Amino acid sequence: DSGVTQTPKHLITATGQRVTLRCSPRSGDLSVYWYQQSLDQGLQFLIQYYNGEERAKGNILERFSAQQFPDLHSELNLSSLELGDSALYFCASSFTGTSSYEQYFGPGTRLTVT
Amino acid sequence: QQQVKQSPQSLIVQKGGIPIINCAYENTAFDYFPWYQQFPGKGPALLIAIRPDVSEKKEGRFTISFNKSAKQFSLHIMDSQPGDSATYFCAASPYSGAGSYQLTFGKGTKLSVIP
Repeated sequence: DSGVTQTPKHLITATGQRVTLRCSPRSGDLSVYWYQQSLDQGLQFLIQYYNGEERAKGNILERFSAQQFPDLHSELNLSSLELGDSALYFCASSFTGTSSYEQYFGPGTRLTVT
Repeated sequence: QQQVKQSPQSLIVQKGGIPIINCAYENTAFDYFPWYQQFPGKGPALLIAIRPDVSEKKEGRFTISFNKSAKQFSLHIMDSQPGDSATYFCAASPYSGAGSYQLTFGKGTKLSVIP
């Protein structure tokens, strides 16, 4: 158990809808990273928040957005969903003391768009 | 485009064998190279990681070898066990600012260890 929690575990929704994925980092970690894992694209970095502020952006679609709250949990919002958005979405947390490189992944949310 | 190329795609070894998974990168700004292990239905778990200032790192049965000049690194699993059967991902990240280490992943290697 990495200490990172994600909810929900599974999500099934229809095209055009909007969903919110939630992540709680390990205690004391200030950074949250979001990654998407799909069969064709593999694991891809989407976005990073550090202590409430956006720190880095990767291959994140404009239909997707994220935020990190004062209690350091983060939410990834996916809107106008398409079939191709079906994937596993992971968050990872890091930045505790000197172990700032190490990222610990949550169990993921499996999103199915029908 | 930042890429990490991983090979082989799949690997089958006998119990006790030493599977070797290789990765190569182009971006010389990469300075942190972790390996992750992923079981079906689970998130990637950090296995071992290396920085470019060392050529080898061992943790238990897992060893990373790093060749900075060739821009290659590899994972060796000593005395492999059926429980090691999983998908292994190499990754790399640059230090792109205080506290920012976004990972670029290889495509993964599915390892099967046969009893």
